[in-house]
Amino acid sequence: GQQVMQIPQYQHVQEGEDFTTYCNSSTTLSNIQWYKQRPGGHPVFLIQLVKSGEVKKQKRLTFQFGEAKKNSSLHITATQTTDVGTYFCAGWSNDYKLSFGAGTTVTVRA
Amino acid sequence: DVKVTQSSRYLVKRTGEKVFLECVQDMDHENMFWYRQDPGLGLRLIYFSYDVKMKEKGDIPEGYSVSREKKERFSLILESASTNQTSMYLCASSFNRGRLVNTEAFFGQGTRLTVV
Repeated sequence: GQQVMQIPQYQHVQEGEDFTTYCNSSTTLSNIQWYKQRPGGHPVFLIQLVKSGEVKKQKRLTFQFGEAKKNSSLHITATQTTDVGTYFCAGWSNDYKLSFGAGTTVTVRA
Repeated sequence: DVKVTQSSRYLVKRTGEKVFLECVQDMDHENMFWYRQDPGLGLRLIYFSYDVKMKEKGDIPEGYSVSREKKERFSLILESASTNQTSMYLCASSFNRGRLVNTEAFFGQGTRLTVV
C-alpha cells in the first residue's frame, strides 16, 4: 500500500535561519497536501500540490512537488517562533484513503 | 466555518471496556476518517468512510470497528480496550469530489484516551 515518509523527524532551528523538510512516497501520488499542527492543537491544512514540478509559496513557506510526483518538500525561510509545530505531508490514494507521514516537529531557538 | 466535533477531549477507560468515540461534522462531508497519533509515528489511519454505511479499513484496524449510520456522524469503537490503545484519536472529514479531485481534510480537536 501507499506509504508516505518524512525526514527529518525533528528539526531544531535557530530563529532567522532557513530549513527544509522532505516527504517521499513509495508510489506516485495524484497530489500531495501539507498540514501544520501547533502544540496542543489539531492538524490544519496548509496547501495542496497537484502538478508535476509545481511550486507554491505562502509568505515564507515554499512548497514543491517533485517531477515524478513521488516526493515533496517544504522550505521555510527566516524561521520565526510562530513556525513551531509539526508539519505533515499527506497523499490521497484512488480509493479515498488519505495517508499521512510521520511529521517533522520543529522547535525554534530564540 | 467547518466544524468537526469529537465527543470528549479526555477519556479514561479500564482494560476490557467497550469504548465509543464519537465524531460529528456539520459540513455535509462525504469522507470521514479516524486516525491515532502517537509520538514519532505521525497520524496512522484506522478506518475511513466515503459514504453513509460504507467503511474501509485503514492501516491499523485491528482492535477497532466503526459505524456510520448517518452522514454527519462517524463512530470509532474499541471492542475491548487495551493499554496499547492509549493514544490521541483524531477524527477528520472532507468533501468527496470523485477519485481524481482531492480536497482538504478538516480535523476535530482530538480525544486523548487513556486505558488503565
